[in-house]
Amino acid sequence: DQQVKQNSPSLSVQEGRISILNCDYTNSMFDYFLWYKKYPAEGPTFLISISSIKDKNEDGRFTVFLNKSAKHLSLHIVPSQPGDSAVYFCAASVGPPPNAGKSTFGDGTTLTVKP
Amino acid sequence: DTGVSQDPRHKITKRGQNVTFRCDPISEHNRLYWYRQTLGQGPEFLTYFQNEAQLEKSRLLSDRFSAERPKGSFSTLEIQRTEQGDSAMYLCASTKGIDRSYGYTFGSGTRLTVV
Repeated sequence: DQQVKQNSPSLSVQEGRISILNCDYTNSMFDYFLWYKKYPAEGPTFLISISSIKDKNEDGRFTVFLNKSAKHLSLHIVPSQPGDSAVYFCAASVGPPPNAGKSTFGDGTTLTVKP
Repeated sequence: DTGVSQDPRHKITKRGQNVTFRCDPISEHNRLYWYRQTLGQGPEFLTYFQNEAQLEKSRLLSDRFSAERPKGSFSTLEIQRTEQGDSAMYLCASTKGIDRSYGYTFGSGTRLTVV
């Protein structure tokens, strides 16, 4: 039973447009969520996180939205840049750091930003 | 280099052999995590350390797996009597304290192939 699902294996957007990556979870105990970006041959890089006490968190071009009732979160990248092309992982944990290090990850969405 | 280092980058071993991987975290990071990632999936949590203490092990971590972090610095992950199902990318990550503003810094991983 996969508790964190990223249903879109891939997404392609034009440079300058918005990229929206989605993530659904089934475990209602999850209350802390993270997004990571991964380039080939590198480890994941932490992007942004959100606690369940919030429904939105922004960091520059990246915004994460959390809909607890729907058990859904999304990552918005505006504007998208070619350097954003990577695999994006959604992760969820019961409790904030250090428990967030024990997160359950989705299988990732490959984002391609076309110039 | 201030990142997380993992050694070796690649390891090919015969079934039944023992292998050991090393992770050097960022020096001031007191928490260290090990993950396993198979192709097309997200990382799966294996175990984590706070300083030299191993605080939690996932049910994924069979008796053939053991991890250490002597003196709270580098960590090793050993797999005894390797099986073909152990073939995966083994990732290490570290973080500092429990401040929510800190993300998790991953190494580039060790790719294990069991033949």
